[in-house]
Order: sequence, then structure tokens, then C-alpha cells
Amino acid sequence: AQSVSQHNHHVILSEAASLELGCNYSYGGTVNLFWYVQYPGQHLQLLLKYFSGDPLVKGIKGFEAEFIKSKFSFNLRKPSVQWSDTAEYFCAVFFTNKLVFGAGTILRVKS
Amino acid sequence: DTGVSQNPRHKITKRGQNVTFRCDPISEHNRLYWYRQTLGQGPEFLTYFQNEAQLEKSRLLSDRFSAERPKGSFSTLEIQRTEQGDSAMYLCASSVGGETDTQYFGPGTRLTVL
Repeated sequence: AQSVSQHNHHVILSEAASLELGCNYSYGGTVNLFWYVQYPGQHLQLLLKYFSGDPLVKGIKGFEAEFIKSKFSFNLRKPSVQWSDTAEYFCAVFFTNKLVFGAGTILRVKS
Repeated sequence: DTGVSQNPRHKITKRGQNVTFRCDPISEHNRLYWYRQTLGQGPEFLTYFQNEAQLEKSRLLSDRFSAERPKGSFSTLEIQRTEQGDSAMYLCASSVGGETDTQYFGPGTRLTVL
């Protein structure tokens, strides 16, 4: 069965620090990959997605993610975080007609 | 495009009661998904519809759970004889399907079983 691992459950950063959230998946074939974000009190929102082509994908609010096929990874990055980036971030892979999610990473940005 | 909507947003019920949730997808989205999310976990797939056809159900979906999507528009998820273990956030998502399927989520229904 497909599984998704997110390495850190809680991350605390100061404003302007750089962010990298790890995500690894287990399936070795062609995959569609996603990052979703859930801001406090809001519903899951799509942050970015990868289907094919350039492995470096850019999303909303300055986020980007890099697909590295050899490492089965799809890490999320942002050069300089803001207090408003405080949220829970979920990595997901689309596998056999469903999304398989990681457990999520709670990011708290200190102002 | 008003997004995916779900009702009710919160439901508190006593063990053994039946509950029903509703999801209204984005218009013209052919696919509709149900997921369940518990504290500290990511959403877990329950079932999905392509138009009105229910094409897949997770093993998480016990016999007490039933989902419908009459006429391929809104969907309902019913839980019969609720148990405390059913307490969770129930999420609905919709998409147009295809190779670049992208799911858009509703706000969820939070169920608490006392």
C-alpha cells in the first residue's frame, strides 16, 4: 500500500527563517504529488501540485516544492517565512483514485 | 464557483444514534470524495463517486456507513448506530477527474459521539 511520511510533526521558526518540510512516499511508479495547507480555523487548501515536467514547482504565497524521483521525495520550501504561514501542512500522493496523506506538520512562526 | 460546502459543520450525537452529513461539490465536478480525519493524522480515504456511481470504498467504511450521490450532484454520508470511535472530522472533496485530478476540499463536518 502507498504511504506518505512527513518527518517533522511540529516545527517552530522565527519570521524570516527559511523553511523546508520533508515528505517521502513509498510508491515507485508515476505519481501525482500535492501539498495542502490548513490555516487555523480554515479548511484544507491546495498549496501546490506536481504532475510531470519541471521537478521544481511553485505554488501560492512563495512556496515551492522539489520532486526528486530517486529519493521518493517532494519537500516543501520557502526562503523566508511569515507569521501568517502558521498552519498545518499536509503532503499527499494521488494513488489508485484517492489521495494518500501524510500525518501533517504543524508550523508555528514566531513574530 | 462557491467551493465545496458541507452541512452541518458540527454534529454532536449520542452513541447509537444515526447521523447524516451532506456535501455539495463544486458545480460540474464529476468526482466526489469522502475522507475522515482524526486528531494528529492526515485525512484518510473513505469512498468516492464518479458522477452517481460509487466506484470505491475503503475498508475503513464499515457496514454502518453508507454514502450516496443521487443524480451525480450532492452527496450524503450516513452513519448508523454511531460509536465513540466514529468521532472525527468528515471531509468532502470534489474534482473534475482525469490524469491531472486535483481535489478541492470543503470545511468538513466535525462529529462528536458522546
